[in-house]
Amino acid sequence: QKEVEQNSGPLSVPEGAIASLNCTYSDRVSQSFFWYRQYSGKSPELIMSIYSNGDKEDGRFTAQLNKASQYVSLLIRDSQPSDSATYLCAVNTDTGGFKTIFGAGTRLFVKA
Amino acid sequence: EAGVAQSPRYKIIEKRQSVAFWCNPISGHATLYWYQQILGQGPKLLIQFQNNGVVDDSQLPKDRFSAERLKGVDSTLKIQPAKLEDSAVYLCASSPGLAGGSDTQYFGPGTRLTVL
Repeated sequence: QKEVEQNSGPLSVPEGAIASLNCTYSDRVSQSFFWYRQYSGKSPELIMSIYSNGDKEDGRFTAQLNKASQYVSLLIRDSQPSDSATYLCAVNTDTGGFKTIFGAGTRLFVKA
Repeated sequence: EAGVAQSPRYKIIEKRQSVAFWCNPISGHATLYWYQQILGQGPKLLIQFQNNGVVDDSQLPKDRFSAERLKGVDSTLKIQPAKLEDSAVYLCASSPGLAGGSDTQYFGPGTRLTVL
């Protein structure tokens, strides 16, 4: 089982729709969770971080965390063509030494 | 505030050659990370420094990869000798706090390595 799993996509949504990106992780003691956006040929940039169960909203983005189900998601409301990118889920774990584990990413296409 | 700087941006070498990458983190950031990102995959942590000490290098192929962080600031990552499977983007990142925290990591532009 991969430590951080994401659907590779591509996920295609029309402009103005809600895009829903999902991520599951295997280490139950993980405490910090991150969503990064990576445009083609560019480096990752942080969109959201979340540390406690529930929802966290920032503008058009909402991160949701459910530690019991080991599940974290990112919702993008009113999707724009400029949101087209790969979204990486990252989890901080202390098992076997502190490290950040990234998922393989989900490619999102927003159609104008 | 200047971001994370990396050089070179691109490098093409033949297998069995050596190569070195340089990273200058954001000023004052305690923790520095080196990641390898193979096309179509997420970044994979190779080594993590806190100031000038190694926090984690469990995924660094130590038979061919080495890294150091001089005086707790700049860092170099070296591959000797390179293999075809080392073709990837090498990303450097830094964060302000100590390792084990929940800080945001700020990434540099990366070095794209092609091994022929």
